[in-house]
Amino acid sequence: GQNIDQPTEMTATEGAIVQINCTYQTSGFNGLFWYQQHAGEAPTFLSYNVLDGLEEKGRFSSFLSRSKGYSYLLLKELQMKDSASYLCAVRDSNYQLIWGAGTKLIIKP
Amino acid sequence: NAGVTQTPKFQVLKTGQSMTLQCAQDMNHEYMSWYRQDPGMGLRLIHYSVGAGITDQGEVPNGYNVSRSTTEDFPLRLLSAAPSQTSVYFCASSYSSGSGANVLTFGAGSRLTVL
Repeated sequence: GQNIDQPTEMTATEGAIVQINCTYQTSGFNGLFWYQQHAGEAPTFLSYNVLDGLEEKGRFSSFLSRSKGYSYLLLKELQMKDSASYLCAVRDSNYQLIWGAGTKLIIKP
Repeated sequence: NAGVTQTPKFQVLKTGQSMTLQCAQDMNHEYMSWYRQDPGMGLRLIHYSVGAGITDQGEVPNGYNVSRSTTEDFPLRLLSAAPSQTSVYFCASSYSSGSGANVLTFGAGSRLTVL
């Protein structure tokens, strides 16, 4: 079966750095996405990786290793507004998105 | 640009009732989809469409119908509501569903409770 694993919840301090991991086992791979979802709101796109390596976008970076079935989202200089759930999704060989359950990130002052 | 508009935001139904969740997008996206989001689970695909007149089933299609008569609209119909359909429903669209960073744009969500 297809599976995406993420930690359920993480806590970090304002101004610090946090890394959210995502491991996947899917039938084929056609890209990995990270979305941010604030409580009671819709998911919004953060990043897309299809090749191995690090993609940097401001305070957020996303890393992919296809051979290990592994990705992480790195958030730097954490702000209170970063408190949200972070969803990892993999597009499989049929170009369907398989979603993880999300990681709830709590930022403390 | 309104993006993806979903209505209603909240709805309470009794078991056996039917209803339609509306979804409209003004971005000329070919791909539209419906997801449900339940606590502790990833988003699950209900139905999707790759263009007007074309629909297909996702992972959890039972109890739901869709149609796509225009590029803009993709309503989701609950035929006979059951408590197991209590969930938050999201409509999402993108330019296509193929390779590349086809980013999904989500509607604000519809919270449905079935008693």
